Amino acid sequence: GQQVMQIPQYQHVQEGEDFTTYCNSSTTLSNIQWYKQRPGGHPVFLIQLVKSGEVKKQKRLTFQFGEAKKNSSLHITATQTTDVGTYFCAGPASGAGSYQLTFGKGTKLSVIP
Amino acid sequence: EAQVTQNPRYLITVTGKKLTVTCSQNMNHEYMSWYRQDPGLGLRQIYYSMNVEVTDKGDVPEGYKVSRKEKRNFPLILESPSPNQTSLYFCASSLSVSSYEQYFGPGTRLTVT
Repeated sequence: GQQVMQIPQYQHVQEGEDFTTYCNSSTTLSNIQWYKQRPGGHPVFLIQLVKSGEVKKQKRLTFQFGEAKKNSSLHITATQTTDVGTYFCAGPASGAGSYQLTFGKGTKLSVIP
Repeated sequence: EAQVTQNPRYLITVTGKKLTVTCSQNMNHEYMSWYRQDPGLGLRQIYYSMNVEVTDKGDVPEGYKVSRKEKRNFPLILESPSPNQTSLYFCASSLSVSSYEQYFGPGTRLTVT
């Protein structure tokens, strides 16, 4: 079945440093979503990318979807303590009837003040 | 307020005692889903439902049942819980099958002894 891999598993950064997490799928994705889960909380939707090569920005967050629609990245510029949490990517496989959603294992971000 | 609610939030039970975790959304969403979250394994989809009376298996359906008799409700049933089903469970919903922006409930922490 479809596998979605995320690296790194953990990342510790000094406040103000940049952070990037990468997501790779074993199959082509029709779209990819990113979620953030604060400690003790539930996942919260951040963004969805649909087009090959798409880049979207949300303030300090930049999301990219690969040309082959099999990989994606989330980059945070100048991290802040409010960025602490686990970031997940998720995607359905392409093709008819692909309503199953597979999440990566997440990247846990710690920000040292 | 648009939300997904789950009950109970915490549950400790014994092996073999049937239990139901309820999930309800007030956003008229078509797509609903159940996930379990375990340390190091991320979020894994158990079952999903594309609409009333339409359900399908996710990645880890063994030991679970679901039903979708009404659009707003999607209960998760454990007929005979076992200790390996100790986990944090999340219900989620999205507007439609093609709109994967999911809204998550607050989670149910289940312990099976």
